[in-house]
Amino acid sequence: KNEVEQSPQNLTAQEGEFITINCSYSVGISALHWLQQHPGGGIVSLFMLSSGKKKHGRLIATINIQEKHSSLHITASHPRDSAVYICAVLSNFGNEKLTFGTGTRLTIIP
Amino acid sequence: ETGVTQSPTHLIKTRGQQVTLRCSSQSGHNTVSWYQQALGQGPQFIFQYYREEENGRGNFPPRFSGLQFPNYSSELNVNALELDDSALYLCASSIPGRHTQYFGPGTRLTVL
Repeated sequence: KNEVEQSPQNLTAQEGEFITINCSYSVGISALHWLQQHPGGGIVSLFMLSSGKKKHGRLIATINIQEKHSSLHITASHPRDSAVYICAVLSNFGNEKLTFGTGTRLTIIP
Repeated sequence: ETGVTQSPTHLIKTRGQQVTLRCSSQSGHNTVSWYQQALGQGPQFIFQYYREEENGRGNFPPRFSGLQFPNYSSELNVNALELDDSALYLCASSIPGRHTQYFGPGTRLTVL
């Protein structure tokens, strides 16, 4: 079992729909990252969370430390949101290495 | 723009060859991590360097090695390339304790 599990693996939705991507982890963490990866490979950091909720534009990220679960929400989705969304956790001991989920491929259809 | 650059962007090598990938971090970011991302997978941690010393290593064989230089640049070297080494290689720089990692655009390596 992977330390970081994401669901769904693939998600196709119509423009305007509300999107939720889930992430569960099994290790103690000091922070959780939501990352966006477009075709071509570049990774952009969307959020870094250690508790509660963060909002940036149409994106909202929440984390429940007790349940070891985080969600990324996209409101009023748009075709330009199509990308792979990756959850990654920073362990709370040792060096600051990220452990990644396998990603959720999101496709928004106009 | 994360301020992290990588070179080259694409590279094709044959099995058995050696390759050096380069990463230039933001000034002041004295921690750099390297990740391997196979097609359709999430990135996997290769190793991390802090102040020019290796500071942790993932499950990769010794033919994967690295260097970090005082000018915040670093290298990933892979010897005796294998077909399975074909992947996107990402570097990420950070300031210890700040948790945020800044990713470069990656180098896509193809081994034939």
